[in-house]
Amino acid sequence: KQEVTQIPAALSVPEGENLVLNCSFTDSAIYNLQWFRQDPGKGLTSLLLIQSSQREQTSGRLNASLDKSSGRSTLYIAASQPGDSATYLCALGRNQGGKLIFGQGTELSVKP
Amino acid sequence: DAGVIQSPRHEVTEMGQEVTLRCKPISGHNSLFWYRQTMMRGLELLIYFNNNVPIDDSGMPEDRFSAKMPNASFSTLKIQPSEPRDSAVYFCASSHWTSGSTGELFFGEGSRLTVL
Repeated sequence: KQEVTQIPAALSVPEGENLVLNCSFTDSAIYNLQWFRQDPGKGLTSLLLIQSSQREQTSGRLNASLDKSSGRSTLYIAASQPGDSATYLCALGRNQGGKLIFGQGTELSVKP
Repeated sequence: DAGVIQSPRHEVTEMGQEVTLRCKPISGHNSLFWYRQTMMRGLELLIYFNNNVPIDDSGMPEDRFSAKMPNASFSTLKIQPSEPRDSAVYFCASSHWTSGSTGELFFGEGSRLTVL
């Protein structure tokens, strides 16, 4: 059974710091991996999607990597800002049908 | 496109009442997902449809829950009778899924259900 783990559950950093969020999974047979952001009381917003054949994707200050052999993905946030404060979730797409398996998320707080 | 649209945004009801949540996926998307989010259990997939056909309903907690997708632009999730433990935020999401697509998932704003 595929399991997705995100550690730490919560992270607090000062503004301007570069940071890395971790996502690990147990089964390397994945179709894609997606990182989401969720603000309190809101839905999930897709940040980056990495296909199984790719190793990383970049969007602005965000960079996501994928290492299937080690069962890990990381989300790198450069020069963090208070507006980056949110919960970040990773989700794995299985080979069949588009079903995603979510981690529990990392709650990020960026202090001014 | 307006994105995935869910209604109602908030619902407060009494135990035993029927609850119907509605979802309009993004036009052109052929896969639709219903998720439930609670503090204790995080995001749980309840059911998903591909081309209006239910593919996997193994996450539906019990027979009190049912979901339909009568056409490509509308889906409902019904709880009858509702119980306090059903209180959660219910999300609908959609994607365009083919063997050659990215499968990126887009979420609605959610329906917050409180059962008293």
